[in-house]
Amino acid sequence: DAGVTQSPTHLIKTRGQQVTLRCSPKSGHDTVSWYQQALGQGPQFIFQYYEEEERQRGNFPDRFSGHQFPNYSSELNVNALLLGDSALYLCASSPWGSGANVLTFGAGSRLTVL
Amino acid sequence: AQRVTQPEKLLSVFKGAPVELKCNYSYSGSPELFWYVQYSRQRLQLLLRHISRESIKGFTADLNKGETSFHLKKPFAQEEDSAMYYCALSGFNNNDMRFGAGTRLTVKP
Repeated sequence: DAGVTQSPTHLIKTRGQQVTLRCSPKSGHDTVSWYQQALGQGPQFIFQYYEEEERQRGNFPDRFSGHQFPNYSSELNVNALLLGDSALYLCASSPWGSGANVLTFGAGSRLTVL
Repeated sequence: AQRVTQPEKLLSVFKGAPVELKCNYSYSGSPELFWYVQYSRQRLQLLLRHISRESIKGFTADLNKGETSFHLKKPFAQEEDSAMYYCALSGFNNNDMRFGAGTRLTVKP
């Protein structure tokens, strides 16, 4: 089992552009959460998906949106990129229910906005 | 407000010395507390959660609701314990996991 896989690993965008990040959860997991980690900070919760619906959302603007597919994989979309969106974006998967907070993390996608 | 504070960004101890990584939290309901660890060139991974009440790699953490703390302790630090440690909190009825800023532990030989 490859665990949680994320793509791409690195990408560079310019202000105003849009970006899509992808995540495949660990085998057996049905819940996907996305986090933003700025340099020197802990991960910040963006949102969580289960059964193809957004179940919980952190304090992020509507420019951040997501999707979950029937195979449990997920996408994070960010529109109208700002310089401040530069960060490591982490995907984490878990089983829904009492284990939903026992997260298995991917290696992350590092986004640089110029 | 839901908040996690790790007061030490950096912590350095010698091998064999006791180590304590501090974590304080604020939460109005019943919290679920975790410690996650990231070793060099590895992914962030769960170290332990308070409801499991177990020791992992010699580390323990006790939830002190009176002091709103969840400090991570190990009596004898090893060089392989050098890593970034994050304390995290969520509610039992929500999955909005909040992480602290992390403490980088260095265990010197």
